[in-house]
Amino acid sequence: EVQLQESGPGLVKPSQSLSLTCSVTGYSITSNYWGWIRKFPGNKMEWMGYISYSGSTSYNPSLKSRISITRDTSKNQFFLQLNSVTTEDTATYYCAKGMDAWGQGASVTVSS
Amino acid sequence: QITLTQQAESLWVSPGEKVSITCRASQSLLYTDGKHYLSWYQQRPGQTTKALIYHASIRTDGVPTRFIGSGSGTEFTLSIEDVQPEDIALYYCLQTLKKPWTFGGGTKLELK
Repeated sequence: EVQLQESGPGLVKPSQSLSLTCSVTGYSITSNYWGWIRKFPGNKMEWMGYISYSGSTSYNPSLKSRISITRDTSKNQFFLQLNSVTTEDTATYYCAKGMDAWGQGASVTVSS
Repeated sequence: QITLTQQAESLWVSPGEKVSITCRASQSLLYTDGKHYLSWYQQRPGQTTKALIYHASIRTDGVPTRFIGSGSGTEFTLSIEDVQPEDIALYYCLQTLKKPWTFGGGTKLELK
């Protein structure tokens, strides 16, 4: 059974970078697609992007050049980096396998 | 981008009743392969997000048969027959026909 677990700082200062790790067990990240989704206060959900089995990436244009998703296949982990964060980036961040299996979510607050 | 509208923010039900959650897309979600790229998700507090339905009507493995997905084109419905207390949750639709993938605003199922 695949399991995903997000980890990273729960508090980030405005203008800094948000970095999260998704650790995957029970499934190799060299297969399928591995994505990030976030849920804002008020329950709006946003697909952020994914990294594929080959390492190619696809991002939501709304995040423009601020987002980067990378991976470490030796550790079976993939990563989210979101640059130049503002308070609008305060959300719960989820990692997912192909949108059919999700992690528990990591709450991130952007505040000085 | 494709907009998904879940008209009801909240629905109140009693155990044993049937409830329907609707999701309307701003354009058809039918692809040339004959499949609709619309899926449904359940979020319960303290639980991982659960994929219920994909391609509009196919239940994910292990999902109880009381969850029924239907619809075509731009109109889709998630029906829950014989609602159980554990079905009280937040439900989202998601389209993966075109990027950026987009979610509906969510419908919260609550007990009367």
